[in-house]
Parts: sequence; structure tokens; C-alpha cells
Amino acid sequence: DSGVTQTPKHLITATGQRVTLRCSPRSGDLSVYWYQQSLDQGLQFLIQYYNGEERAKGNILERFSAQQFPDLHSELNLSSLELGDSALYFCASSVARGQGYGYTFGSGTRLTVV
Amino acid sequence: LAKTTQPISMDSYEGQEVNITCSHNNIATNDYITWYQQFPSQGPRFIIQGYKTKVTNEVASLFIPADRKSSTLSLPRVSLSDTAVYYCLVGVPNTDKLIFGTGTRLQVFP
Repeated sequence: DSGVTQTPKHLITATGQRVTLRCSPRSGDLSVYWYQQSLDQGLQFLIQYYNGEERAKGNILERFSAQQFPDLHSELNLSSLELGDSALYFCASSVARGQGYGYTFGSGTRLTVV
Repeated sequence: LAKTTQPISMDSYEGQEVNITCSHNNIATNDYITWYQQFPSQGPRFIIQGYKTKVTNEVASLFIPADRKSSTLSLPRVSLSDTAVYYCLVGVPNTDKLIFGTGTRLQVFP
């Protein structure tokens, strides 16, 4: 157990629907990162939050949004889902950037859009 | 924009040393370089992290030249269980973005 909890582990939904993925960071970690990994592809950076504030954005689609709550958990919202959104979605957490700490990843949410 | 490239795949035999290089021509000057291991359908697992020169832990070594335009992960005496995909992770200058390299699929044979 890495200490980063992602729920649900699996999600199957239809095109056009909306889903919410949840991430609870390790205790004490203030930063949360979201990544998307399509089948047999690399990890694409989506977005980062630090202590509730958005700090960096990658190639995140406008249909996707995220937030980090006061208790530091984060949610990634995916709407108007398309078949191509099927992927593994990972979150990672760290105390802060640039301080020599490794970033710990959760076990991911596998999203299947049918 | 930071761009990171790694060899797509590498083959090795049990007991050999494996070196995987990540080229990153423009990374954040104040950030560390981190390497991860990923098995199918699992989250990336931290292996080692460094800023410059050489870092060693119980599972790997990391070599970073002075110009920090590349880094090399060294796995001593690999075993079958080291078969996985290996990624470097670097920071993008003047942002809080962290991006992964393209990943190297290591296959270890008996």
C-alpha cells in the first residue's frame, strides 16, 4: 500500500456520461498530480494542485476538470466521455516539489468507456 | 519545453547489469530527476532520485552528468522480476509540471 488511495479501482460507463475519480493523498502530502495512461502508452500529465490551489496544467481536455478540497483529497471530473477517454488514471502525491521527495503514486482507476 | 526521450526497449539476461538512459535537454534547474518502475496495470513505483553526480540505494544507481541533460539508471544483476517499464520523471522549467519520459520496456530473460 503506497498510502495514496484512488477510488474506484474500475469504472465502466457509456459515451456521453460523466464520472468522478477520487484521490486521497498520503498523510501530510500537500501536492496532488493527475496522469492519464492510455493502453500501452506513456503517462501524460494532466494537472497539479498544491494545498487546494491549481499549480500546473498539462494537455488536459476542456471536458475534464479537477479540484483539491480543504481536506487535501482531489477529484478528477470527466464529462461527455468518449471511447478515447478509456485509460488508466493515476494520481500521485508529494509533500512539495523540489525538495528531494519521491512522488508516490496510487494504484490507479481503470476507466472503460463503452 | 522539456523533452525527454528513452530507448523504447531493452533486452537483458539474468545477472547482467542494465543501464537505461533518459535524455532531457531542458529541465528545471532546481528540480530532482526521478526514476520509476511500472508493471502492467499498476501505478509507477519509485526507484531512485537524484540531483547531480551519482546516487546509489539498495536497488539501483543513478548517474547524472554536470550538464543534467541526461540521466542513467543502472540496475545491477537484474532478475526476471525486473521485467517492467522504466520511466524518468523531470520538471519543466518555470512551471510546476512534472513530465515522464517515453518509457523503456526492459525484458529480462533467464
